[in-house]
Amino acid sequence: AQSVTQLGSHVSVSEGALVLLRCNYSSSVPPYLFWYVQYPNQGLQLLLKYTSAATLVKGINGFEAEFKKSETSFHLTKPSAHMSDAAEYFCAVINTGGFKTIFGAGTRLFVKA
Amino acid sequence: GAGVSQSPRYKVAKRGQDVALRCDPISGHVSLFWYQQALGQGPEFLTYFQNEAQLDKSGLPSDRFFAERPEGSVSTLKIQRTQQEDSAVYLCASTLREGRADTQYFGPGTRLTVL
Repeated sequence: AQSVTQLGSHVSVSEGALVLLRCNYSSSVPPYLFWYVQYPNQGLQLLLKYTSAATLVKGINGFEAEFKKSETSFHLTKPSAHMSDAAEYFCAVINTGGFKTIFGAGTRLFVKA
Repeated sequence: GAGVSQSPRYKVAKRGQDVALRCDPISGHVSLFWYQQALGQGPEFLTYFQNEAQLDKSGLPSDRFFAERPEGSVSTLKIQRTQQEDSAVYLCASTLREGRADTQYFGPGTRLTVL
């Protein structure tokens, strides 16, 4: 069965610092991978997705993620954090046998001034 | 432009009551998903529709949960004889096509509280 693990339920960075949110997945075949962001009192919105094209995926708001098959990872990064990045971030994988999307437990990002 | 809408936004039910949650996907979107998000957790898949066909209902936690999308647009998630453990935010998402890589557009959710 596929699964997603997000390391760290809370991450705190200073404004301007590197953001690194970790995601590892388990899958017997290359999956489709996604990062979603949920701002307070808003619905989830897609940041970026990996669909077996380029392994380095660029998303909105300066975020990017790299698919590393050997490490079964899809970590999310942003070179310089902004206060507006404070939100909850979810990594997700699509079940290759169907349409069931499996989400990680989420990582809440805090940005300090 | 209109996104995915859900109603009601908040619902309080007494244990044992039946509830119906509505999802209006983006017009023309083929696929529709329902998720349950407990406090502090990620969304958990409940069911998936392609047009009016329910292709995957493996995530429905019990036979008290039922979903339908009779005309391939609006969907309703019904929970019978609600229990306290049903308290959660119920999310709906839609995609333009049926591809697994398609972007899911999420609604704001319905927060269900069972007393």
